[in-house]
Amino acid sequence: NAGVTQTPKFQVLKTGQSMTLQCAQDMNHNSMYWYRQDPGMGLRLIYYSASEGTTDKGEVPNGYNVSRLNKREFSLRLESAAPSQTSVYFCASSAIGTPNGYTFGSGTRLTVV
Amino acid sequence: AQSVTQPDIHITVSEGASLELRCNYSYGATPYLFWYVQSPGQGLQLLLKYFSGDTLVQGIKGFEAEFKRSQSSFNLRKPSVHWSDAAEYFCAVGEKGGGADGLTFGKGTHLIIQP
Repeated sequence: NAGVTQTPKFQVLKTGQSMTLQCAQDMNHNSMYWYRQDPGMGLRLIYYSASEGTTDKGEVPNGYNVSRLNKREFSLRLESAAPSQTSVYFCASSAIGTPNGYTFGSGTRLTVV
Repeated sequence: AQSVTQPDIHITVSEGASLELRCNYSYGATPYLFWYVQSPGQGLQLLLKYFSGDTLVQGIKGFEAEFKRSQSSFNLRKPSVHWSDAAEYFCAVGEKGGGADGLTFGKGTHLIIQP
């Protein structure tokens, strides 16, 4: 089925470890996004990529890096994980110029101990 | 800067009763407005969206929302709720043109359905 695929679905890290969250979409969308969701905070934008080859910081970029590998894939990297990065991470995509909202992946639940 | 306020953190409604979830936004230009629903452990699903034209928009699962520019509001309604409507609901605002720089979300309203 067409959509946004995130891997892994669950992950436990120790403080200081690194990892990369993967996201791929097969809808030929131009824009991709990474959000984090925390209780009582809604969704906050970490980074986004308006088009292939570009990335920009969102509201809460500290401690993260991203790579827009190609039009389909947008990865999020935690170089040195901290307990404050325990969260649920969502990837989303959209097509510029077509106001159809965003398509979200099913999320990655990350715990940093 | 754009912002979204959902004043109600939790709402409890009896099954079969009507529902209204409130959303107020702050945005400098003509906004694109969205309502998403999130079931436990799931991603977000688009319920409905408003871009222009008729200010009353219909969505999936029997939901509708009304855009009121004068009140900067985009409230979500349903005439008769079902137990399966229990979920988290998020209002979001983005820029006209597709929102390439990301949507801004409210903090969500948790809907509880009483039997």
